[in-house]
This record gives sequence, C-alpha cells and structure tokens, in this order.
Amino acid sequence: DQQVKQNSPSLSVQEGRISILNCDYTNSMFDYFLWYKKYPAEGPTFLISISSIKDKNEDGRFTVFLNKSAKHLSLHIVPSQPGDSAVYFCAAIQGGSEKLVFGKGTKLTVNP
Amino acid sequence: GAVVSQHPSRVICKSGTSVKIECRSLDFQATTMFWYRQFPKKSLMLMATSNEGSKATYEQGVEKDKFLINHASLTLSTLTVTSAHPEDSSFYICSAFAGWDNWLVGEAFFGQGTRLTVV
Repeated sequence: DQQVKQNSPSLSVQEGRISILNCDYTNSMFDYFLWYKKYPAEGPTFLISISSIKDKNEDGRFTVFLNKSAKHLSLHIVPSQPGDSAVYFCAAIQGGSEKLVFGKGTKLTVNP
Repeated sequence: GAVVSQHPSRVICKSGTSVKIECRSLDFQATTMFWYRQFPKKSLMLMATSNEGSKATYEQGVEKDKFLINHASLTLSTLTVTSAHPEDSSFYICSAFAGWDNWLVGEAFFGQGTRLTVV
C-alpha cells in the first residue's frame, strides 16, 4: 500500500517558468511533509517542509502548498533554473515516528 | 549543521565476497539510523531500521542474513552485504535520526550514498 504517491514520473519545463510537482497521500495521520531533491549518485538533500497545521510554506524560490482535505501537496519552483533539474521526492512522517515515507519521485528537467 | 558521512561512495566487488558500508553521524548522536536502497528509476526503499545497542528491524522482503546491520555506537552504523551477487548492485543510502524536531530541518541527515557494483 503506497501511502505517498507522486503520480508524475517526470516533468519538463522551460527555464524561467514555474515548476509544479505534485504529491498525494493516503494516511491522514501524517504530521509533516518534506520535499527532497536528489541528484544521481548522491543522497537526498532537504528542500522544504510543511506542518500539517499549515497550508503554505515559502523559502526563496520554493513554496509548498498543503491541501489537507484533498490529501494533496505540491511544490512550486519559481523561476525554474537548469540547476533545479533533479529527482524530487515527497516524503511524509507521522508525529512520534522516526520513519519517513517516500513517494517514488518525479524527475524534473529544466530546459535552458 | 548536522552531517552524516557515508563511506565508501563507490565500491566494486567480486561476486561471492562481502562489502561493508559505514554510516557516521559526525556532530550528533543518532539513536536510530535507516538504510535505504534505490533501484534505477525507482524510489528509495527502506531496508531496515538500525537502533543503537539492539538488533535491526528489517522491512518485509529484506533478507536479514544477507544485509547485516550493526549499530555499535551512537555515531556509527554499518551495513554489510554478504556473499554479494550482481543483483545486489544498487545505490545504498543511510539516514540518521537526531530527534523529532530535527525532521523539520531535514538537511544533512542523509549520507552521500554508496554505489555498489558486483561483478
């Protein structure tokens, strides 16, 4: 049972435009959601997180939106840059737990 | 900030041999470390949870006799792939947990990963 789903395996956008990466989840007990960026042959690096009590968190070019009723979150990157090209993982964690539950990832390609 | 160091970053070994991968938390004590495996074009798959001073907890379908995990101290966990076969070739990543609040700032809690190639 996949609790965190990223239904788009890949996304391609033009430099300077907005990239929107989507993530759906099924477990209503998740308390925090995180986005990680991963380059090939490297470990994931943290991008941004959001608590389940909020609906938006912004950090520079990155904004995460959370819609609890729809069990959906999205990561917006504006403006997109070629260096943003990577695989983005959505992850969720339940309060008191130590385990991150990852989605399958979305490969973002930003074309110059 | 907190740093997790994983070593080696890349290893090639012969089929039938064993390989040890180390995961160290450099400036914090990690009571729990996680070992993941990433298949090509697939998500990170949690293999096992390593708890300091006790036996690791393996996820369903992961062979505990093949993937030996030792968490001997609060700063070191090791994964040993025993009697490696070509199908064990993969990218292995460790992660260290330093406390619940730290998940809000998740950076630097993953190791750099180890690319294992079994020939």
